[in-house]
Amino acid sequence: DTEVTQTPKHLVMGMTNKKSLKCEQHMGHRAMYWYKQKAKKPPELMFVYSYEKLSINESVPSRFSPECPNSSLLNLHLHALQPEDSALYLCASSQGDYGELFFGEGSRLTVL
Amino acid sequence: KQEVTQIPAALSVPEGENLVLNCSFTDSAIYNLQWFRQDPGKGLTSLLLIQSSQREQTSGRLNASLDKSSGRSTLYIAASQPGDSATYLCAVRQGDSWGKLQFGAGTQVVVTP
Repeated sequence: DTEVTQTPKHLVMGMTNKKSLKCEQHMGHRAMYWYKQKAKKPPELMFVYSYEKLSINESVPSRFSPECPNSSLLNLHLHALQPEDSALYLCASSQGDYGELFFGEGSRLTVL
Repeated sequence: KQEVTQIPAALSVPEGENLVLNCSFTDSAIYNLQWFRQDPGKGLTSLLLIQSSQREQTSGRLNASLDKSSGRSTLYIAASQPGDSATYLCAVRQGDSWGKLQFGAGTQVVVTP
């Protein structure tokens, strides 16, 4: 089973809302990732949890906050977002830091 | 700084023709290279992973080669079908502390019936 599940598939939020994106995998992978993808661009790495240790892309604003409750679950907490944060948010996992990367179907976020 | 380039940006072929997609990278010190497929508005599907010590990988109609010394990888798709229409991305994994994946911009492929 090579499946990464993301919820919700679509999310519309106002700039003052607080929401969360969720990701789950049952492949026993120990590295999980959040990527952001704008239209017709490749994905950009936001955060990595590897063996539950967090690495951050320094360019990601603090209004995005990741959380890894356990090795199978990954959340992305969203607060006070801007319209330019509207994008497809992709979760991925791999077995270790250098393994094959498997992506979920993504959560389409629209910020009004 | 690693740069990954995919040329052409878009490609249209008639059904049945073989597809050849190119990926080049500037720093040959990679750990592995992965090819993905992405349908519009969807996530990325892993097609093939080639370790830096390998020269090629095959899966069904797909074959990917890797020439690390010249910084190139090629994805071949035999006997293309309309269902192969998608954007194809390559990504290289550096051997740094958190194995960051560096993506190319992708090649958008249309296979016409």
